[in-house]
Amino acid sequence: NAGVTQTPKFQVLKTGQSMTLQCAQDMNHNSMYWYRQDPGMGLRLIYYSASEGTTDKGEVPNGYNVSRLNKREFSLRLESAAPSQTSVYFCASSVRQGMNGNTIYFGEGSWLTVV
Amino acid sequence: GQQLNQSPQSMFIQEGEDVSMNCTSSSIFNTWLWYKQDPGEGPVLLIALYKAGELTSNGRLTAQFGITRKDSFLNISASIPSDVGIYFCAGLLNYGGATNKLIFGTGTLLAVQP
Repeated sequence: NAGVTQTPKFQVLKTGQSMTLQCAQDMNHNSMYWYRQDPGMGLRLIYYSASEGTTDKGEVPNGYNVSRLNKREFSLRLESAAPSQTSVYFCASSVRQGMNGNTIYFGEGSWLTVV
Repeated sequence: GQQLNQSPQSMFIQEGEDVSMNCTSSSIFNTWLWYKQDPGEGPVLLIALYKAGELTSNGRLTAQFGITRKDSFLNISASIPSDVGIYFCAGLLNYGGATNKLIFGTGTLLAVQP
């Protein structure tokens, strides 16, 4: 059981370049999330998808777009990368968003550097 | 953005010692989660708590959901070198209706000296 898998693991971009982080989960979860993790800042929610066909902004959505391609896949796109987007990005999924008994499982992270 | 008050920020202990860390908030949560993150890896779920007052164990780890629903603690007994990592608490914040949000603590760095 792979759980949550995200690609790529590492990426270096030049300022202004675009790229898409891919995420897939095989746990039949309804909700998926994208977080970024910066030193001393903990995990901050970028976007989430409560269910297939819906997406909503989190705490720090600026500069990002997302697509919930199907129930399994949730991608994060940087249209024009900026150095401030240098971070570690984590995809996560849960059975349902915001209900009692919910737990969230994380992927292994994608290290993105924008130069 | 919102974050939980997690303490201590870091701990440096000897192998075999017990460890305690906690998270507090001014907001009420209906779920508390504790994660461990190893260097270069994603957070891994350790314990999930769903009811106020709930005390749950996972091996040498014990966590409790505070009675006021505004705090939680995690204890690790008889620490071993592989306990090294960053521990995060996370609380599910209920805004009412279907709107909820997961808030993370800033993490506790644990170092264990053999």
